[in-house]
Amino acid sequence: GESVGLHLPTLSVQEGDNSIINCAYSNSASDYFIWYKQESGKGPQFIIDIRSNMDKRQGQRVTVLLNKTVKHLSLQIAATQPGDSAVYFCAENMIPGGSNYKLTFGKGTLLTVNP
Amino acid sequence: DVKVTQSSRYLVKRTGEKVFLECVQDMDHENMFWYRQDPGLGLRLIYFSYDVKMKEKGDIPEGYSVSREKKERFSLILESASTNQTSMYLCASTAGDQETQYFGPGTRLLVL
Repeated sequence: GESVGLHLPTLSVQEGDNSIINCAYSNSASDYFIWYKQESGKGPQFIIDIRSNMDKRQGQRVTVLLNKTVKHLSLQIAATQPGDSAVYFCAENMIPGGSNYKLTFGKGTLLTVNP
Repeated sequence: DVKVTQSSRYLVKRTGEKVFLECVQDMDHENMFWYRQDPGLGLRLIYFSYDVKMKEKGDIPEGYSVSREKKERFSLILESASTNQTSMYLCASTAGDQETQYFGPGTRLLVL
């Protein structure tokens, strides 16, 4: 889930396990959602996105699920690897159809993969 | 591949100095953004630009200005750096009709 205060929520998993990272978004009118991965000292890297007319989208080893009823987004990572260790955060487009496509970002979850 | 580059990975400046952070993208993107990222606060939008010479304030523009003279380049300016501007600065860009923002590697700025 999203962080409160100075400490990020953390998720620790064993290598090979599946990981599920959650995100609660704020605007029921948002129509686009995106997950980013940020490794230490680097910029955020796009993982996968989903539009509000879908409830599931799959990529390579990753799946995003969208539950609009409860405004909840999750990222599932299959067969988690040590290289997946990073901060993951979600973002939503809070101005659907706007000309500048501003995103609002969550604070992130720290995923640690233990070998 | 989308490529967003930032002029420096690390910068150390003194209070009161004028600081320039440069961002260049090579994908002919219309929209460019500057964020700062601080522990516990996530990414906060400072300024964005949706066209050359066009800019709009984000959520925390105070103490910053920007310049977009060319489509590929978006500069963030700290007119008089202060210690509370010590942060990680991230630049991003998107094509005009796309929401996916592509980020640069970030500049970690320390103001002493």
